[in-house]
Amino acid sequence: DTEVTQTPKHLVMGMTNKKSLKCEQHMGHRAMYWYKQKAKKPPELMFVYSYEKLSINESVPSRFSPECPNSSLLNLHLHALQPEDSALYLCASSPEGQETQYFGPGTRLLVL
Amino acid sequence: QKEVEQNSGPLSVPEGAIASLNCTYSDRGSQSFFWYRQYSGKSPELIMSIYSNGDKEDGRFTAQLNKASQYVSLLIRDSQPSDSATYLCAVGNNRLAFGKGNQVVVIP
Repeated sequence: DTEVTQTPKHLVMGMTNKKSLKCEQHMGHRAMYWYKQKAKKPPELMFVYSYEKLSINESVPSRFSPECPNSSLLNLHLHALQPEDSALYLCASSPEGQETQYFGPGTRLLVL
Repeated sequence: QKEVEQNSGPLSVPEGAIASLNCTYSDRGSQSFFWYRQYSGKSPELIMSIYSNGDKEDGRFTAQLNKASQYVSLLIRDSQPSDSATYLCAVGNNRLAFGKGNQVVVIP
């Protein structure tokens, strides 16, 4: 089973709202990732968690705040976003010792 | 700066033909290579991974890796309309670097 789940599928939020994206995997993967993808562009890495610790932050603005409560769950907290943050947000995970990444279905975010 | 280059598209192929996609990369230390398929509005789906020089076949897909020349390719045999998608090349060395993608259109 190579399933990564993400909720919600779609999210519309105003610039003053606070919302969270959720990602879950039950494959025992120890690395989890957040990506942002704009239309007709490749995914851009935002954050990497390894063994529940933040290992990479690709200079992402502080209005995006990741959290890894346990080895199966990854959250992305959103606050005071800008319209240009509208994108598809993808979560991925990879097995220990491997670089193969399995993506969830994504959350399509629209910031008004 | 790790760079992954995919030749510009879109690539139009008749149904039943072979689609050929190429990807070059700049980081000689790269160890793992992947092809993802992404349908419009959907997330990337892993279709092939390759780690050593040579060919790897999986159904109608064949990945080819040449580390000396720093390129990886994907062949899709007997192309079907359902193969119409964007194909992303990804190269790994601690993290994945993605190419911009190649759009493939299979014409019935």
